[in-house]
Amino acid sequence: AQSVTQLDSHVSVSEGTPVLLRCNYSSSYSPSLFWYVQHPNKGLQLLLKYTSAATLVKGINGFEAEFKKSETSFHLTKPSAHMSDAAEYFCVFNTNAGKSTFGDGTTLTVKP
Amino acid sequence: GAGVSQTPSNKVTEKGKYVELRCDPISGHTALYWYRQSLGQGPEFLIYFQGTGAADDSGLPNDRFFAVRPEGSVSTLKIQRTERGDSAVYLCASSPLARTSAGNEQFFGPGTRLTVL
Repeated sequence: AQSVTQLDSHVSVSEGTPVLLRCNYSSSYSPSLFWYVQHPNKGLQLLLKYTSAATLVKGINGFEAEFKKSETSFHLTKPSAHMSDAAEYFCVFNTNAGKSTFGDGTTLTVKP
Repeated sequence: GAGVSQTPSNKVTEKGKYVELRCDPISGHTALYWYRQSLGQGPEFLIYFQGTGAADDSGLPNDRFFAVRPEGSVSTLKIQRTERGDSAVYLCASSPLARTSAGNEQFFGPGTRLTVL
């Protein structure tokens, strides 16, 4: 069965330091993968997506993710965290039929 | 332009009651999705509409849940005989393309928080 696992439920970083949010997927084929961010009382917003083109994907707000088939990973990174990055982040797996499976989310805390 | 809107933002009801949750998608978006998000978990798929028809309702947990989209725009999620376990945030999303389109982005509403006492 296809699935997605976010390895950390909570990540805490200091402002200005790098961010790493980890996501692994399980699939017999190369899926479409997404990262969404959810700020309190707001709808989920797409950060970036992978659709079998370039393996290094750049998104909004300085985030990027690298698709690594050998490691079945799609980790989200940002070189320097900002206070406004504090939010819930979801890794999402789409099957060939387009059905979305969400990870359980990672809460990112940014300390001043 | 206007994003996806959902009403009400909060709904408190008693066990056994009937509730309706409304979703107004982005104008022109043909695809519409409902998800349920329980505390500490990611959104869980409920149903997908392409136009007026429910193309995939495999995520509806039981026959107490039903959704319609009669004119291909606004959708209503209906829950009969609510139970305490139905308490969650119900999310709606819309998209300009069918979900089989590679890299299809979904645009989410802020959700309706349903509390069943």
